[in-house]
Amino acid sequence: GNSVTQMEGPVTLSEEAFLTINCTYTATGYPSLFWYVQYPGEGLQLLLKATKADDKGSNKGFEATYRKETTSFHLEKGSVQVSDSAVYFCALRSNTGKLIFGQGTTLQVKP
Amino acid sequence: GAGVSQSPSNKVTEKGKDVELRCDPISGHTALYWYRQSLGQGLEFLIYFQGNSAPDKSGLPSDRFSAERTGGSVSTLTIQRTQQEDSAVYLCASSFLSGGGRGDTQYFGPGTRLTVL
Repeated sequence: GNSVTQMEGPVTLSEEAFLTINCTYTATGYPSLFWYVQYPGEGLQLLLKATKADDKGSNKGFEATYRKETTSFHLEKGSVQVSDSAVYFCALRSNTGKLIFGQGTTLQVKP
Repeated sequence: GAGVSQSPSNKVTEKGKDVELRCDPISGHTALYWYRQSLGQGLEFLIYFQGNSAPDKSGLPSDRFSAERTGGSVSTLTIQRTQQEDSAVYLCASSFLSGGGRGDTQYFGPGTRLTVL
């Protein structure tokens, strides 16, 4: 069946550090892949997406590349800010349309 | 423009009572999804509507859970005889299309936090 695995958190970084949050998936075919973010006290927001292999999604300085050979969609940012502190969810869209989420990774950025 | 809205934002109920949660999707979005977010289980899919029909209700945890959608718009999730394990944040999302491609991005509402005492 379809599944998503994320690196466990929490991840604690200093401001301006490089961020990587690993995400791997198991799926039939090549599903669309997403990163959602949940800031403290707020709802889920789409951060970026990629719909086919080798696509790179990007937004707000975050990037993720759809790698079919490694079934991965790792999230990266070159220089994190305190305002990036949030919970990040990797997800894939199944054939029926539902999203299957990873367990979420909490990021805390310290000044 | 208006996003997905949900009501109530918080609901506290006693074990055994029935509750109704409401979702208003983004206007024009044909697909509507319900998920729940709980500490132990993360984000779980519950049910999906395309128009007024539900082609995938595989995530509903028991027959105490049901949902309907009317007029291709508003949806209601009903939980009968609530149990403490039903306590969670119930999220609604909508998308323009259910298939792949540019229209398949799901936009989430703020959620309803349900607490069963």
